[in-house]
Amino acid sequence: GQNIDQPTEMTATEGAIVQINCTYQTSGFNGLFWYQQHAGEAPTFLSYNVLDGLEEKGRFSSFLSRSKGYSYLLLKELQMKDSASYLCAILDSNYQLIWGAGTKLIIKP
Amino acid sequence: GAVVSQHPSWVICKSGTSVKIECRSLDFQATTMFWYRQFPKQSLMLMATSNEGSKATYEQGVEKDKFLINHASLTLSTLTVTSAHPEDSSFYICSARDLRREYNEQFFGPGTRLTVL
Repeated sequence: GQNIDQPTEMTATEGAIVQINCTYQTSGFNGLFWYQQHAGEAPTFLSYNVLDGLEEKGRFSSFLSRSKGYSYLLLKELQMKDSASYLCAILDSNYQLIWGAGTKLIIKP
Repeated sequence: GAVVSQHPSWVICKSGTSVKIECRSLDFQATTMFWYRQFPKQSLMLMATSNEGSKATYEQGVEKDKFLINHASLTLSTLTVTSAHPEDSSFYICSARDLRREYNEQFFGPGTRLTVL
């Protein structure tokens, strides 16, 4: 079967660093996406990993280990506006996106 | 670039009526669009894949006679919720792939919040 696991909720402090983990078991793998979704809004694209390693984009970085079925999203210098849900999604062998349930990130001053 | 719009943003209707939601790719052509539904505090659930010029592919458990999808052009897909009931109240989001992009990421419309009374 297909399975994507993320923590349900995390809390962090403004200015700090937080790592959101995602583990997966899917039929085929054509890449892993991270999306950000603010409450009441549609998701917006953050990052894409298809090869092992770290992809850095400003304050956000995403890491992938295909052999371990594992990814994380790293957010640095947290700002209040980073409070949102972060969705991990896998592009499976049929190029269909399989979505995790999302991690709600709460930033405290 | 890669902007997707949806209309309406929100709609309130009476039980038994039909509601049409439009999804447009504004600056690119989308041969494939996706329709999702999201209930509060839950993840996105893919309802169907909309293919231009052909029938949509529905996910298991989604009634194709209730959720009618029409992808008549390369920039427009519509979802019609027929004979809506309160349990159909949800956040409906469409997305499209821009094949010009390096990645296969999907770009999402802003969503339509449907409330059925």
